[in-house]
Amino acid sequence: GEDVEQSLFLSVREGDSSVINCTYTDSSSTYLYWYKQEPGAGLQLLTYIFSNMDMKQDQRLTVLLNKKDKHLSLRIADTQTGDSAIYFCAVNAGNNRKLIWGLGTSLAVNP
Amino acid sequence: GAGVSQSPSNKVTEKGKDVELRCDPISGHTALYWYRQSLGQGLEFLIYFQGNSAPDKSGLPSDRFSAERTGGSVSTLTIQRTQQEDSAVYLCASSLAPTNTGELFFGEGSRLTVL
Repeated sequence: GEDVEQSLFLSVREGDSSVINCTYTDSSSTYLYWYKQEPGAGLQLLTYIFSNMDMKQDQRLTVLLNKKDKHLSLRIADTQTGDSAIYFCAVNAGNNRKLIWGLGTSLAVNP
Repeated sequence: GAGVSQSPSNKVTEKGKDVELRCDPISGHTALYWYRQSLGQGLEFLIYFQGNSAPDKSGLPSDRFSAERTGGSVSTLTIQRTQQEDSAVYLCASSLAPTNTGELFFGEGSRLTVL
């Protein structure tokens, strides 16, 4: 079945760039998402990209999509301690009802 | 409130008891989802409601789990005869449907601990 994989942990120093990677299997996915979950809180949409795009930039966030390799990445420039959270990659499986979720990447930002 | 509201935020129960978890979605959102988040696991889809359509129950792990949505708004997830493996955070999300971005708005979750 459809699957989304991402590394579980990433540790960076404050001020460095963070790159969180995600691979997926469903080539028909049209929307690809990054959600952020801060400790003790629900998930919040961070950004998304359409499958007909290669890149999307939004302030400190850059999303890159390689459809050939089914690879999605999230780059956070100038990472701050407030960016410490779990980042989930999710793709839609042909419709929006059942997003397929990765396990989440726990980002730790060290001062 | 403006966001998705879930209650209780924490629930501790004994094995074998029934529990009810409540979700109050954002007003006007016709789609409502329940997910389960276990320690070290991703989000596990449980059930989806869309307007007056029959719910998609394909994610419910057993017949001990059921959910209803009354009046197209508030939803209740019921777990009967709870087991220790039911311990998890139960997340509710709502969205406008159809939606171009598919953005889901999540509540803060109900943490269930089964002793």
